[in-house]
Amino acid sequence: KNEVEQSPQNLTAQEGEFITINCSYSVGISALHWLQQHPGGGIVSLFMLSSGKKKHGRLIATINIQEKHSSLHITASHPRDSAVYICAAAGGTSYGKLTFGQGTILTVHP
Amino acid sequence: EPEVTQTPSHQVTQMGQEVILRCVPISNHLYFYWYRQILGQKVEFLVSFYNNEISEKSEIFDDQFSVERPDGSNFTLKIRSTKLEDSAMYFCASSTSGMGDTQYFGPGTRLTVL
Repeated sequence: KNEVEQSPQNLTAQEGEFITINCSYSVGISALHWLQQHPGGGIVSLFMLSSGKKKHGRLIATINIQEKHSSLHITASHPRDSAVYICAAAGGTSYGKLTFGQGTILTVHP
Repeated sequence: EPEVTQTPSHQVTQMGQEVILRCVPISNHLYFYWYRQILGQKVEFLVSFYNNEISEKSEIFDDQFSVERPDGSNFTLKIRSTKLEDSAMYFCASSTSGMGDTQYFGPGTRLTVL
């Protein structure tokens, strides 16, 4: 059974700060997903990665397969980035079943 | 841009009643999922569905739960006899392929069991 842990659980930042959210998982995976959940509850996929690094705008996601660790970075944070960020692991032998972390609540103040 | 839709957005029911939650996945997707999130807790996997059958299910997905793709567009989750602890947000998701593919989530149905 895969355990997915995120840190920190809560993160408060000032606008413009560089933000890092960490995710670790216990067993091998086929892919690691980063998701964003807004206060209304909807979930949006940000990244899906199985190796290396991906970048989309101010968001960067990295993964280290050997260390079973992934990070999500936000450069030049903005109040509209305030949301819950969730990492989720796709198991190596499953048809896409995701195991979710508990989420990181990010609040960016102007 | 295509999106996953879910109805209703909020369902209130009495304990013991049957509920059906509906989802319309993205039209060319082949893999379908249901997840749930109890208030304040992690999102949990319930079931995955491919080629008109269940691919994988969690311990939560017991005999009270069933899924169906009754036509070419809808994907439903049925709870036969709801319990108080079934109160949660239920998310449908779909993807083009299974393993390691991006999943697109619907907006969720909030189920409240009284």
